[in-house]
Amino acid sequence: GAGVSQSPSNKVTEKGKDVELRCDPISGHTALYWYRQSLGQGLEFLIYFQGNSAPDKSGLPSDRFSAERTGGSVSTLTIQRTQQEDSAVYLCASSLNGRAGADTQYFGPGTRLTVL
Amino acid sequence: AQSVTQLGSHVSVSEGALVLLRCNYSSSVPPYLFWYVQYPNQGLQLLLKYTSAATLVKGINGFEAEFKKSETSFHLTKPSAHMSDAAEYFCAVSVSTSYGKLTFGQGTILTVHP
Repeated sequence: GAGVSQSPSNKVTEKGKDVELRCDPISGHTALYWYRQSLGQGLEFLIYFQGNSAPDKSGLPSDRFSAERTGGSVSTLTIQRTQQEDSAVYLCASSLNGRAGADTQYFGPGTRLTVL
Repeated sequence: AQSVTQLGSHVSVSEGALVLLRCNYSSSVPPYLFWYVQYPNQGLQLLLKYTSAATLVKGINGFEAEFKKSETSFHLTKPSAHMSDAAEYFCAVSVSTSYGKLTFGQGTILTVHP
């Protein structure tokens, strides 16, 4: 079956511009996560969705970052007024339930964001 | 709060040799532990996970890991390395009283030489 997909695969933008990153989770998965992978910080949790709600946004680095999920499916991560330190690979993952720590997360291929 | 430490950012082995990637965790509650592999320009793929059943966990591609509570460790092993095992490996923890938020180690790059 189809896995987690993300678009675009690569995004180059200029400092100060806004960007939107999209994630399509595996059909039927209620939980969705965003992580960021950067050279300096490794893999970091950003936000968790259960359905359309985000019970944990604790990993969002600043108020320039926001995310939403609609229809219990597609999620968009928006970064406003991008800065060079936002350059990273943004990974999305989904899991069937998400209410237990043992649930396996399935990762997408990521979006590589470069801010010039 | 939980944390994960992977000892050795780079490990190099010969083809056919034992692979040992080290992971130690810190958690105030019983953890769930995971090993993921990442090939260049790809997302993460689950190798195996510990969910409080058997302490010796077998995963895909011949990998296995043993949960040792007394040592707070979850080291990944494979008896005989293949060239195709060259990748970056991540150990991660989530806590059973919460949802599946993963805390990752810094990763270990495995190089396999002929």
